[in-house]
Amino acid sequence: EAGVAQSPRYKIIEKRQSVAFWCNPISGHATLYWYQQILGQGPKLLIQFQNNGVVDDSQLPKDRFSAERLKGVDSTLKIQPAKLEDSAVYLCASSTRLAEETQYFGPGTRLLVL
Amino acid sequence: GENVEQHPSTLSVQEGDSAVIKCTYSDSASNYFPWYKQELGKRPQLIIDIRSNVGEKKDQRIAVTLNKTAKHFSLHITETQPEDSAVYFCAASSAGTGNQFYFGTGTSLTVIP
Repeated sequence: EAGVAQSPRYKIIEKRQSVAFWCNPISGHATLYWYQQILGQGPKLLIQFQNNGVVDDSQLPKDRFSAERLKGVDSTLKIQPAKLEDSAVYLCASSTRLAEETQYFGPGTRLLVL
Repeated sequence: GENVEQHPSTLSVQEGDSAVIKCTYSDSASNYFPWYKQELGKRPQLIIDIRSNVGEKKDQRIAVTLNKTAKHFSLHITETQPEDSAVYFCAASSAGTGNQFYFGTGTSLTVIP
């Protein structure tokens, strides 16, 4: 079975620029998560989707971060404008359904903000 | 919300020895506890998990124990090998919070040949 796909794998931008990340979950997985992993820390949930609806976005900095999953499959996470502290790896994960605990992670997008 | 603490942050063991990593959690509603292994620059990979109705689970050289009363769970790796070197993360989740994971801060394990 194909895994969670993410692109780009690496991105370098200057502060105040905008950036977008893309995630394609495992086929058939209804639940999708975006995590932020700062170097030396564990992943922190930013937003969780069930199909095309948001389940939890309480830790998403909504003044600069946005995410969507319009058709309930692919998802994009956007940062505008970026700050230095946004430098991190952005991980996408998916699971079969909301009640299923097991999550499968993508390779992540490594963002460096200069 | 849930708070997961993980110790130690770094761990070095000789090849063949055992390694133990411990996590504590705060939310008594948490009922699922996965462990992920993350090699440098790679995605987290699930290595073992345990649910709150089980006290111990073993898979070859890896085992996890759960003490619900004390709210802590541990990862045990026996007969360590150099390829076990990685960062290990514990996490806790509950259905009540949509199964979102609360991760520990990670343990960097080095197995010395």
